[in-house]
Amino acid sequence: ILNVEQSPQSLHVQEGDSTNFTCSFPSSNFYALHWYRWETAKSPEALFVMTLNGDEKKKGRISATLNTKEGYSYLYIKGSQPEDSATYLCASYLRSNDYKLSFGAGTTVTVRA
Amino acid sequence: DAGVIQSPRHEVTEMGQEVTLRCKLISGHNSLFWYRQTMMRGLELLIYFNNNVPIDDSGMPEDRFSAKMPNASFSTLKIQPSEPRDSAVYFCASSLNNLSNQPQHFGDGTRLSIL
Repeated sequence: ILNVEQSPQSLHVQEGDSTNFTCSFPSSNFYALHWYRWETAKSPEALFVMTLNGDEKKKGRISATLNTKEGYSYLYIKGSQPEDSATYLCASYLRSNDYKLSFGAGTTVTVRA
Repeated sequence: DAGVIQSPRHEVTEMGQEVTLRCKLISGHNSLFWYRQTMMRGLELLIYFNNNVPIDDSGMPEDRFSAKMPNASFSTLKIQPSEPRDSAVYFCASSLNNLSNQPQHFGDGTRLSIL
């Protein structure tokens, strides 16, 4: 993997259901993995910054895990609510991008009431 | 703290005109990033500064784009002359420093339309 990739591109969740999605990144020369939440008509807001293999972070009903050896991170939303509807961006510092923060295309989550 | 402040929020101008976007950093932050967001390319880093010094401008599309940081709290991104393909949302972000473990704090963006 040369770049930061996110899947799926979008998903629809019924209110109350839990969901998760993936961020993949080059595992060599890993520095940090960022997750941002981006609501429509607003600006990206930092959720988590993770640096260590096995890191787990939690903020309310949202949590994230990190596997630096295999190059992936999962973001989980437990008991989705309509206010969780947003695009979730992950970003990583990549050697291929001169160690600048490179963003994935995002996973757009729509929670249906 | 008021967060990162960008102005204007919206700008509509004709092709060939000069456009200046402004950004005020969060107090105490030393790193400043300018991004452009388009449907085709997502969020792209244009340039970033550390302690008022431009560190990497390799993302700046061409010579029509320039960015300055005249003091520790303020930056401008200028496009001269502007072209329709410059239409996008431009975000400014700041962080405590440019270490990889520091989150970036984004402004609300400037939606630019070049006619």
